[in-house]
Amino acid sequence: QLQLQESGPGLVKPSETLSLTCTVSGGSISSSSYYWGWIRQPPGKGLEWIGSIYYSGSTYYNPSLKSRVTISVDTSKNQFSLKLSSVTAADTAVYYCARHLDYYDSSGYYPAAFIDYWGQGTLVTVSS
Amino acid sequence: DIVMTQTPLSLSVTPGQPASISCKSSQSLLHSDGKTYLYWYLQKPGQPPQLLIYEVSNRFSGVPDRFSGSGSGTDFTLKISRVEAEDVGVYYCMQSIQLPPNLTFGGGTKVEIK
Repeated sequence: QLQLQESGPGLVKPSETLSLTCTVSGGSISSSSYYWGWIRQPPGKGLEWIGSIYYSGSTYYNPSLKSRVTISVDTSKNQFSLKLSSVTAADTAVYYCARHLDYYDSSGYYPAAFIDYWGQGTLVTVSS
Repeated sequence: DIVMTQTPLSLSVTPGQPASISCKSSQSLLHSDGKTYLYWYLQKPGQPPQLLIYEVSNRFSGVPDRFSGSGSGTDFTLKISRVEAEDVGVYYCMQSIQLPPNLTFGGGTKVEIK
């Protein structure tokens, strides 16, 4: 059974960089047909896709966050990571890592909204 | 960006009664491959979301058949034929047709039991 587990600091100071890692167990992050993504949820609010990465390193980001987000993958450790720079209180949220299928468009493979595995989520608070 | 609009914001349902949630997208979700990239999720209290329905009307593995999805183009509906206590939570629709990718969720519909 595939499992995803987020890890990282629960408290980050304003203007600093939020860093989280998702460790995948029970399966390989190098499997074809899957993207690995980050999704967040501010307390009491809805869900926001942050971005996704393929094991090859191909990434896609939410345009509203793109200037501050970097997602990377370490296939040797079966992990992928999120960095969000210049954080503010508005970045306080539960951060989920997840696996989703890809789909084929004439220009390539892209992350689909078919998300079949989620981590339990980790709350990151931005505060001084 | 494709905006997903869900209605109602909340529902209070008597057990055994049906429930219906609407999701409208600002652009068609029909892809040239013939598939429509509209998905439904349920987030139970204190849990991550779980996939219910993919590509409009296909139930994900293990999802009870009281859940059904329908619609086309820009208008979609999730129906629960007979609501049970375990169905409480927030339901979200989501799309993934936009390129470059920008996966977006609806604002959510909270379902509670009367």
